Amino acid sequence: ELKVEQNPLFLSMQEGKNYTIYCNYSTTSDRLYWYRQDPGKSLESLFVLLSNGAVKQEGRLMASLDTKARLSTLHITAAVHDLSATYFCAVDQVLRDTDKLIFGTGTRLQVFP
Amino acid sequence: NAGVTQTPKFRVLKTGQSMTLLCAQDMNHEYMYWYRQDPGMGLRLIHYSVGEGTTAKGEVPDGYNVSRLKKQNFLLGLESAAPSQTSVYFCRSGGGGTEAFFGQGTRLTVV
Repeated sequence: ELKVEQNPLFLSMQEGKNYTIYCNYSTTSDRLYWYRQDPGKSLESLFVLLSNGAVKQEGRLMASLDTKARLSTLHITAAVHDLSATYFCAVDQVLRDTDKLIFGTGTRLQVFP
Repeated sequence: NAGVTQTPKFRVLKTGQSMTLLCAQDMNHEYMYWYRQDPGMGLRLIHYSVGEGTTAKGEVPDGYNVSRLKKQNFLLGLESAAPSQTSVYFCRSGGGGTEAFFGQGTRLTVV
């Protein structure tokens, strides 16, 4: 059974600082997703990582994937308040007839001045 | 949330009442999913469908039923609501190699 673990669960960081969120998963997967969720809102897709060594960047966020280590990271560079949100990683469990997206518990990020 | 509409957005039920949540998509997706989101637990898969007329159980299916009579609609039913089903419910449409989208969510409270 695929399990996805995220850490930290909660992250409070000062503006301008850098930090990394980690996502570990237990079985082989073809795809890994990162989502952002603002309070009371739906999930916004940030990145889809498809292969070992994949790296994607958008603004102050950079995501990477190491399929051998079953690890993905979401790196935050020079944080700003607008990045405050909950971030989820999700791993595709590809089955015979479909794919199931299994989510981590999320990392609640607060950026303060 | 383009093309994925959930109805209703909010609902309060009494214990034992029934209700149906509707997820409608206009992207001709085969795959549709229902998740629930509880504080500190991320999203958990309730049921999913790989096409019209098909449904399958996810991680937490107990207490829920689903139907996919039309390709564009995926219904989630609660036959006898319980306080433990208080949650935010999200529909996801797409996947299986195509881009997927989430609905805006349905906040359900069972009292």
